[in-house]
Amino acid sequence: QVLLVESGGGVVQPGGSLRLSCAASGFTFRGHGMHWVRQAPGKGLEWVALIWFDGSDTDYVDSVKGRFTISRDNFGNTLSLQMNSLRAEDTAVYYCARFDGSNSAGYFNSWGQGTLVTVSS
Amino acid sequence: QSALTQPASVSGSPGQSITISCTGTSSDVGSYYLVSWYQQNPGKAPKVVLFEGTKRPSGVSNRFSGSRSGNTASLTISGLQAEDEADYYCCSYVGGNHWVFGGGTRLTVL
Repeated sequence: QVLLVESGGGVVQPGGSLRLSCAASGFTFRGHGMHWVRQAPGKGLEWVALIWFDGSDTDYVDSVKGRFTISRDNFGNTLSLQMNSLRAEDTAVYYCARFDGSNSAGYFNSWGQGTLVTVSS
Repeated sequence: QSALTQPASVSGSPGQSITISCTGTSSDVGSYYLVSWYQQNPGKAPKVVLFEGTKRPSGVSNRFSGSRSGNTASLTISGLQAEDEADYYCCSYVGGNHWVFGGGTRLTVL
């Protein structure tokens, strides 16, 4: 079955960096776009970043653009999110999600269990 | 891009039907109307319950249905059951490789 397992979360000071990873199994990883979605404590879901199936294109929500970098290793079946210049408002559970379908009609079909990132001094 | 607008909470008794609305603009729901809906139980990851506006993934009860009118998409749950109590989120593509979620709706089964 599809399995997505995030790791790398933790406590970091404002201005610090953290790298999240998502290990994928149970499906053809290189055949799917992958996303990061986050959820601040007690708040709703927020789309963060996308990377196309082959890594040829990426995009980000405006609030993280220039600070976060999404990448993937289609040989190792791993998705990553490099987070720099972290701010308190980046505190959230970060989920990796597999995307199925086209951009306009697609959806987040599988989710990891999430990893908590806390930005605090 | 602002979050799509959902009611903060809805409630219903077992057996009743409830509808959760998801209101956007002509730039998101009105243009890319094939929204998806997610159910999230406390402390758990979201799970898709509808995609392409009206389609149910395998394993999702046919009590879940979707519709759209103009810039508003809706999720209806009929024959409400205690297990339906959860948070629900809509999601729409907004163009330019960006997506936006609704603010979420807490469903309480009375």
